[in-house]
Amino acid sequence: NAGVTQTPKFQVLKTGQSMTLQCAQDMNHEYMSWYRQDPGMGLRLIHYSVGAGITDQGEVPNGYNVSRSTTEDFPLRLLSAAPSQTSVYFCASSVSQYSNQPQHFGDGTRLSIL
Amino acid sequence: AQSVTQLGSHVSVSEGALVLLRCNYSSSVPPYLFWYVQYPNQGLQLLLKYTTGATLVKGINGFEAEFKKSETSFHLTKPSAHMSDAAEYFCAVSERDYGQNFVFGPGTRLSVLP
Repeated sequence: NAGVTQTPKFQVLKTGQSMTLQCAQDMNHEYMSWYRQDPGMGLRLIHYSVGAGITDQGEVPNGYNVSRSTTEDFPLRLLSAAPSQTSVYFCASSVSQYSNQPQHFGDGTRLSIL
Repeated sequence: AQSVTQLGSHVSVSEGALVLLRCNYSSSVPPYLFWYVQYPNQGLQLLLKYTTGATLVKGINGFEAEFKKSETSFHLTKPSAHMSDAAEYFCAVSERDYGQNFVFGPGTRLSVLP
């Protein structure tokens, strides 16, 4: 059971480039989300999805797009990378959108924007 | 909106000593509370959670936390620290009946000294 799988693990981009961070879960979880982790700031929610075809913005959505065409996959797209997007990105999933359910995290993607 | 504070960005204890990591929250409705642990270069793993019922919650690896409504606290403790406990710990809160809306604290890095 792989859980939540994120690829790539590391990536270096130049300012203005675009890329997609991949996230897949094999637990048939309804809810998926993307966070960014910056020193001293904990995790901040970028976008989330409560099911296939449904996405919504979190706390820091600017500069990012998401889609959810299947239950398993929830890719995060950086449209035009900026140095402020240098961060560690985590994908998480939960069995449902109810707030008492814990989230299961991937191992993260470490992204540097030059 | 809910928020989380964690007193002390870095805590050091000796092996065998008591571990106490502090978490205080603010929430306009009864909260659900979580503690997660993050080992280097890994994602977050759930340690324990409080949703309803007993206010003293036991988790994995010998950790426990007590929900104190009057103090709006959910401190994490372990009677005897082990070297393998060295990691970063995050407290998170979500508000009941508002869907998945976790807010994470900034984290506390625990060092265990031999």
